[in-house]
Amino acid sequence: EAGVVQSPRYKIIEKKQPVAFWCNPISGHNTLYWYRQNLGQGPELLIRYENEEAVDDSQLPKDRFSAERLKGVDSTLKIQPAELGDSAVYLCASSPSGRRNSYEQYFGPGTRLTVT
Amino acid sequence: EDQVTQSPEALRLQEGESSSLNCSYTVSGLRGLFWYRQDPGKGPEFLFTLYSAGEEKEKERLKATLTKKESFLHITAPKPEDSATYLCAVQVNFGNEKLTFGTGTRLTIIP
Repeated sequence: EAGVVQSPRYKIIEKKQPVAFWCNPISGHNTLYWYRQNLGQGPELLIRYENEEAVDDSQLPKDRFSAERLKGVDSTLKIQPAELGDSAVYLCASSPSGRRNSYEQYFGPGTRLTVT
Repeated sequence: EDQVTQSPEALRLQEGESSSLNCSYTVSGLRGLFWYRQDPGKGPEFLFTLYSAGEEKEKERLKATLTKKESFLHITAPKPEDSATYLCAVQVNFGNEKLTFGTGTRLTIIP
């Protein structure tokens, strides 16, 4: 079974530039999450989707961050404009729904963003 | 507010030297406690979920246990390939399914 796919793996941009990250979850997983992980810290949730609906975006900085999951499968996270403090690893995770073990989240390799 | 604290921050062991990592938590109602392993440059890899106090799970040289206040990840006779950062996370009842992570324990096994 293929895991969570993310691209690009690395991105270096100048501040004030836009950037986008893409995620394709594990096939059949209805729930998709975007997390941000700063160096030496655990991941922190940015947004959660159930199919195409964003059911929790309370931690997403909406002035510059946006996300979409139009067909309930893959998802894009965008930052515009990027700031120096946005440098981090952006992780995508997915989980199945409707079963007890649906609470388990499976992570992709992440996109390491460096803003200069 | 839900809190997760992991200790120690870093641990260096000789190959074969068993030890335990600690994850203490304060939550309103625990749905599940999760252990992940994270290698440098990679995403967290799922290891275990524990749902109730007294529960134990094992996988190769790892065993996770859970009480009402903390979880331990016991590593028996570790090998260099067990070197990684081990993350603990909690999920609460009637919450939004988000995982609240600790800052991890960076484990190094010296050959």
